[in-house]
Amino acid sequence: KNQVEQSPQSLIILEGKNCTLQCNYTVSPFSNLRWYKQDTGRGPVSLTIMTFSENTKSNGRYTATLDADTKQSSLHITASQLSDSASYICVVRSWGNTDKLIFGTGTRLQVFP
Amino acid sequence: DGGITQSPKYLFRKEGQNVTLSCEQNLNHDAMYWYRQDPGQGLRLIYYSQIVNDFQKGDIAEGYSVSREKKESFPLTVTSAQKNPTAFYLCASSNSENTEAFFGQGTRLTVV
Repeated sequence: KNQVEQSPQSLIILEGKNCTLQCNYTVSPFSNLRWYKQDTGRGPVSLTIMTFSENTKSNGRYTATLDADTKQSSLHITASQLSDSASYICVVRSWGNTDKLIFGTGTRLQVFP
Repeated sequence: DGGITQSPKYLFRKEGQNVTLSCEQNLNHDAMYWYRQDPGQGLRLIYYSQIVNDFQKGDIAEGYSVSREKKESFPLTVTSAQKNPTAFYLCASSNSENTEAFFGQGTRLTVV
């Protein structure tokens, strides 16, 4: 069964600290993996998209990694800011005629001053 | 501005009533999707459309209906047959290839 699991479910850190969010997937065949940031009550916004051949990609203070062999991805946030408080969702796209995106349940990050 | 727009942002419905959620995009994307988000759960696919005048059921299509008469528009109707319609509904669009999906800002539907 195609699944995307994220950990931790929730995380609290102090402003200025770094953190790493994890995503494990069992989706096959794999097309790409995306990380989204979702503020409460808003739609998700894309942070990064990674294909099979990419193992790291940065977007400002966000750095995503992908290990296609172990089917794991991480999102590292550097020097966290209060505005980083949000849910971070890992999404894996599967090839095939259904063109499906499989969503993780997200990690709820709270950054405190 | 290019983007994807959902309306309304908040919607209240009485039990037994049908209600239609709007989703419009001006990104010239072929594919459009409707998802439902419940607390503590990942987004679940309701319906998707990869081309005008064609759409497919997702994982939780029962009690919902859609149409795709125009490339820009993909309205979702929540019918009275949907047993637990209170949720946050998200519409998305993407190109047919490996590009990101753009999401609307969501519609929060509450059945009263």
